[in-house]
Amino acid sequence: GAVVSQHPSRVICKSGTSVKIECRSLDFQATTMFWYRQFPKQSLMLMATSNEGSKATYEQGVEKDKFLINHASLTLSTLTVTSAHPEDSSFYICSALPPGGGSYSNQPQHFGDGTRLSIL
Amino acid sequence: AQSVTQLGSHVSVSEGALVLLRCNYSSSVPPYLFWYVQYPNQGLQLLLKYTSAATLVKGINGFEAEFKKSETSFHLTKPSAHMSDAAEYFCAVSANTGNQFYFGTGTSLTVIP
Repeated sequence: GAVVSQHPSRVICKSGTSVKIECRSLDFQATTMFWYRQFPKQSLMLMATSNEGSKATYEQGVEKDKFLINHASLTLSTLTVTSAHPEDSSFYICSALPPGGGSYSNQPQHFGDGTRLSIL
Repeated sequence: AQSVTQLGSHVSVSEGALVLLRCNYSSSVPPYLFWYVQYPNQGLQLLLKYTSAATLVKGINGFEAEFKKSETSFHLTKPSAHMSDAAEYFCAVSANTGNQFYFGTGTSLTVIP
């Protein structure tokens, strides 16, 4: 079954609306989650690294005031696209990093199924 | 710094034929390498990973990849393509499994009946 749940899977909204995307780690506590953006027919580009209890680390060129990330618990990180515009339309994917040791030892990130965001 | 290059954005093979998807990496430290598959409008599913153990890595769905340090390559192969293998495939590199992943541009695999 799914290890990381992402919600909603698809959202369509008007320009100027703020949209929140949730990423939940279902099977383990994730101190670190990652947010990616994928344009059609292109690869995933890392937007930011979300750390529980601290500020997210944004990649160069990503507007932190535009893409607000909150990682308030060990199982939930949220990405809010503020005042979204058509150019923000994209496929957003999150991933969660399992803790070291135990059954998750040496395992890579687990990805959610993504959120298709369409801004009209 | 790490990066990967996937040669061939589109690959077409006949059903039952060999699948070969190419990935070359660049890394300033011993790399961890991954292959993921993505179906339309879905997230990424891990096919296999190399984490400094055996150089020939076997994954799910009959896929395997060989880490060749001398060639800085990690090509993905499958002896016999199935229609269900049609998807987008991404190669990724990281300094270790906990670090950021850097993805290649992806290869779209088409399987011809």
